[in-house]
Amino acid sequence: QQQVKQSPQSLIVQKGGISIINCAYENTAFDYFPWYQQFPGKGPALLIAIRPDVSEKKEGRFTISFNKSAKQFSLHIMDSQPGDSATYFCAARRDSNYQLIWGAGTKLIIKP
Amino acid sequence: GAVVSQHPSRVICKSGTSVKIECRSLDFQATTMFWYRQFPKQSLMLMATSNEGSKATYEQGVEKDKFLINHASLTLSTLTVTSAHPEDSSFYICSASGTTPSYEQYFGPGTRLTVT
Repeated sequence: QQQVKQSPQSLIVQKGGISIINCAYENTAFDYFPWYQQFPGKGPALLIAIRPDVSEKKEGRFTISFNKSAKQFSLHIMDSQPGDSATYFCAARRDSNYQLIWGAGTKLIIKP
Repeated sequence: GAVVSQHPSRVICKSGTSVKIECRSLDFQATTMFWYRQFPKQSLMLMATSNEGSKATYEQGVEKDKFLINHASLTLSTLTVTSAHPEDSSFYICSASGTTPSYEQYFGPGTRLTVT
């Protein structure tokens, strides 16, 4: 019940296209859902996060869509660029707790 | 703001020796720090959580005598890998959390440990 399932494992998108990464969770007590971006040899960096009281959050080219009833959330990267090539992790936690439950990660490659 | 540094970024040590990794919060007071381990092409695995001035809480399966964690101040935590062996080779990442925004973790750049 603590798991966060992330798909796909890897994704190749043409430059300018839309990249979509999906995550699903079981624990309805989770109330904070961040996405992290990690470049090779670097630590993860918070990209965007959402709480379940909204269904969508947009920051620049990055959008989180959240479906509370389905217990799913997804990251959309619009106008994908080669510089977006990285590994993306979804995560979830309770707002009253530090512990992050991580997805398995998605390696995104944007082809020029 | 919310910058976390790690030192060293890369370290190579011989089997049987100990190595210390430092994690510093540069512009905020980190009441809680976390140490993660990441294997190639895998997600982050939490090793331990430490609060300033308290003993670290280790995750199940993590040897506390092998991975010594000290959180002596609000800006510094150290991870010492004692009697390192090749299987300890990994990417170690720390994160830090202050009081605002609540419970947000800020990650360091990671340390690549290679044990020969």
